[in-house]
Amino acid sequence: DGGITQSPKYLFRKEGQNVTLSCEQNLNHDAMYWYRQDPGQGLRLIYYSQIVNDFQKGDIAEGYSVSREKKESFPLTVTSAQKNPTAFYLCASSTVWTSGSAYEQYFGPGTRLTVT
Amino acid sequence: AQSVAQPEDQVNVAEGNPLTVKCTYSVSGNPYLFWYVQYPNRGLQFLLKYITGDNLVKGSYGFEAEFNKSQTSFHLKKPSALVSDSALYFCAVRDMDNNNDMRFGAGTRLTVKP
Repeated sequence: DGGITQSPKYLFRKEGQNVTLSCEQNLNHDAMYWYRQDPGQGLRLIYYSQIVNDFQKGDIAEGYSVSREKKESFPLTVTSAQKNPTAFYLCASSTVWTSGSAYEQYFGPGTRLTVT
Repeated sequence: AQSVAQPEDQVNVAEGNPLTVKCTYSVSGNPYLFWYVQYPNRGLQFLLKYITGDNLVKGSYGFEAEFNKSQTSFHLKKPSALVSDSALYFCAVRDMDNNNDMRFGAGTRLTVKP
């Protein structure tokens, strides 16, 4: 799981409550990502950030929000507007892509969120 | 936009036999291709990647993958499977002429039986 930590590992919330998932990396990577994983659907991109104080929506950003105030941290808030929030959430980081180079993403251990 | 297909949800092999996990991709430009493995309740671990050059890429834990441009495929292979290889495998692609967006396949569950 490299130098990426996610906390907590398991999280339980009542419907209608906002919840924030933590992601911290010590790899000095510029780019960070949030994915959602559901059985049989692979990974879907929620948000990503290439630099501090900047982030972009992914494919399924509705009902989620993020911030990137520090290079090391990229917290994800699951709001009450997210209709099906129960899932496994994965944070990742990588060096920012530059012309002629390639990168792999390094993943944290994930947070399993259950909303009832 | 780029996309990845993993046509098999499940692959079963006997320990000691060769294994193949299939992946096909679609990009408008030239691809960067990746394989990741995921063990239960864990994050993804990087196995190998293709950037350019030799079509046969060697990675971690004895895995290798063959890039085939004409068939737009990047199948993962191992000559002799271990029970400990049982996990969920993801193929991913990024268009080298595009932005930082990486696309993952739906995953293939590999089960190696003793």
